[in-house]
Amino acid sequence: KQEVTQIPAALSVPEGENLVLNCSFTDSAIYNLQWFRQDPGKGLTSLLLIQSSQREQTSGRLNASLDKSSGRSTLYIAASQPGDSATYLCAGFYNQGGKLIFGQGTELSVKP
Amino acid sequence: EPEVTQTPSHQVTQMGQEVILRCVPISNHLYFYWYRQILGQKVEFLVSFYNNEISEKSEIFDDQFSVERPDGSNFTLKIRSTKLEDSAMYFCASKGSIQPQHFGDGTRLSIL
Repeated sequence: KQEVTQIPAALSVPEGENLVLNCSFTDSAIYNLQWFRQDPGKGLTSLLLIQSSQREQTSGRLNASLDKSSGRSTLYIAASQPGDSATYLCAGFYNQGGKLIFGQGTELSVKP
Repeated sequence: EPEVTQTPSHQVTQMGQEVILRCVPISNHLYFYWYRQILGQKVEFLVSFYNNEISEKSEIFDDQFSVERPDGSNFTLKIRSTKLEDSAMYFCASKGSIQPQHFGDGTRLSIL
């Protein structure tokens, strides 16, 4: 069964700290992996998409990596800010138009 | 930037009533999806739609659910006879050939 797991479930850090969010998936035949941000009661904002042929993607202070052989992806946030407080979700899909399989998310709180 | 729009943002319905959730995907996208998120739980896949037909559906998507793309722009999810456990946030998403999935802000469905 294809599953996605995120650790930790919640994380609290002081402003300015660099941090890493972890995502693992059971099926290494992953096609692409997508990271999202979700604010409370809101929709999903796509942050980064990593295609299976790539090892990482960067956008501003965010860097996501993908290691298919180990079944892991990480989202690195540099110089965290209180505005980064949200739930971060990773999701994998296994073919071109396929469904996304979501992890349960990591709730991040960045304290001023 | 083009976005996926969903209406209504909040729907309150009596148990047993029919409800239709509406979505306008991004105009040149090819793949369309419905997901739901019960409060405090993972985002779950319901159904995907491509080339005017369902391409995949989950176990959740039983005979009470149906989808339509009636006019080439709208994409609807109908629940025929709602149950209390259908209360959730419902997300529509669309995707082009290689782009990431883009999500709407969701419809919060409350069944009384």
